[in-house]
Amino acid sequence: GAVVSQHPSRVICKSGTSVKIECRSLDFQATTMFWYRQFPKQSLMLMATSNEGSKATYEQGVEKDKFLINHASLTLSTLTVTSAHPEDSSFYICSARDLLRLASQSTDTQYFGPGTRLTVL
Amino acid sequence: DAKTTQPPSMDCAEGRAANLPCNHSTISGNEYVYWYRQIHSQGPQYIIHGLKNNETNEMASLIITEDRKSSTLILPHATLRDTAVYYCIVRVADRYNTDKLIFGTGTRLQVFP
Repeated sequence: GAVVSQHPSRVICKSGTSVKIECRSLDFQATTMFWYRQFPKQSLMLMATSNEGSKATYEQGVEKDKFLINHASLTLSTLTVTSAHPEDSSFYICSARDLLRLASQSTDTQYFGPGTRLTVL
Repeated sequence: DAKTTQPPSMDCAEGRAANLPCNHSTISGNEYVYWYRQIHSQGPQYIIHGLKNNETNEMASLIITEDRKSSTLILPHATLRDTAVYYCIVRVADRYNTDKLIFGTGTRLQVFP
């Protein structure tokens, strides 16, 4: 299957600082990427949809000024957690949709990265 | 909101078939059913998906009822490495016509020796 990477895999930062997380599709082009957040013992919660070359669309209740998303190319989306606080500590997971497979629908088109664990002290 | 309901947990003996049920009674005619699993502290892994026909791949089989209101994921010979949280998801389109996967609470499958 297609590969999605995230960097860093783990980050610890001080309260008030900003943290950038990268999501890359390694062997396919992705016009659409998604960002999820997962708290311990909970399910994944969709935060936003990132479209290449346009503004991200955010789910209800997600602050767009706090979680900045940039999708500058077909293989890279970034999530920046601005002025991070301890309550932002979470597991952040991205996923990417394979552009070429989307048309055929013969198999799944959305692949997930391994996640980034953010701890804000 | 997730459009699926699953039992919170299930056990299965190693080597036996694991049958994971999912209800999606409000599914629309053009909405796909997807199954992913998540092993602890990893990203979700795609398993299988279907619209109305039963599907099979190297990992699992997906049985969808004729009315499409429920489905069952079958792992034919469960191994210890299949221990994970299994998510049944109905893919929905938002107002921008973007298909999204909205995760529910999933089923925690424990495979025991």
